[in-house]
Amino acid sequence: DGGITQSPKYLFRKEGQNVTLSCEQNLNHDAMYWYRQDPGQGLRLIYYSQIVNDFQKGDIAEGYSVSREKKESFPLTVTSAQKNPTAFYLCASTPDRRASGNTIYFGEGSWLTVV
Amino acid sequence: QKEVEQNSGPLSVPEGAIASLNCTYSDRGSQSFFWYRQYSGKSPELIMFIYSNGDKEDGRFTAQLNKASQYVSLLIRDSQPSDSATYLCAVNMGGGTNAGKSTFGDGTTLTVKP
Repeated sequence: DGGITQSPKYLFRKEGQNVTLSCEQNLNHDAMYWYRQDPGQGLRLIYYSQIVNDFQKGDIAEGYSVSREKKESFPLTVTSAQKNPTAFYLCASTPDRRASGNTIYFGEGSWLTVV
Repeated sequence: QKEVEQNSGPLSVPEGAIASLNCTYSDRGSQSFFWYRQYSGKSPELIMFIYSNGDKEDGRFTAQLNKASQYVSLLIRDSQPSDSATYLCAVNMGGGTNAGKSTFGDGTTLTVKP
């Protein structure tokens, strides 16, 4: 079945450690996104990529990094510079990078906790 | 002022009643509007989208858009306990470099009591 696969579902990070969240989609979608959700709040955009080898910062990019070497993959690294990384991370994709009316398809999310 | 604001909730309605969820947005250039349902600990799932002024109905759900007032709403008729979730309003700001980027409200939590 087509969809977006995020891994791991649960991840624990020690202080000062970098961690990488994986996101793979087999929907042949052009654009991919990373959102962060804190408890009781909406989604905030971290990074997005409309095409391979190109990506743009979202509203809260500090302390995060991404790459888009393949159309199917958009991993997110949470660096030690991100001081409050405990949150629910959602990877998403949309079919057409040029269209405004795109439906957003979400992965199942990854829970990151700092220990 | 947030770009997308939703009534803060929580909202509680009895089973069978109509639940009304509201959302306002600040950018007049916004072009597409979405309602997502999110169960606790799960990812959001699309309920409705609307692009043009007026009403759009899908089963028990009706989305209403008024671009002049910068207002979009979701009505849930014959509310069921399974509708209990957080509802997120999302607004897409247009094409070009912003294509696909959406801004989300903080959500309204709905509880439907049997």
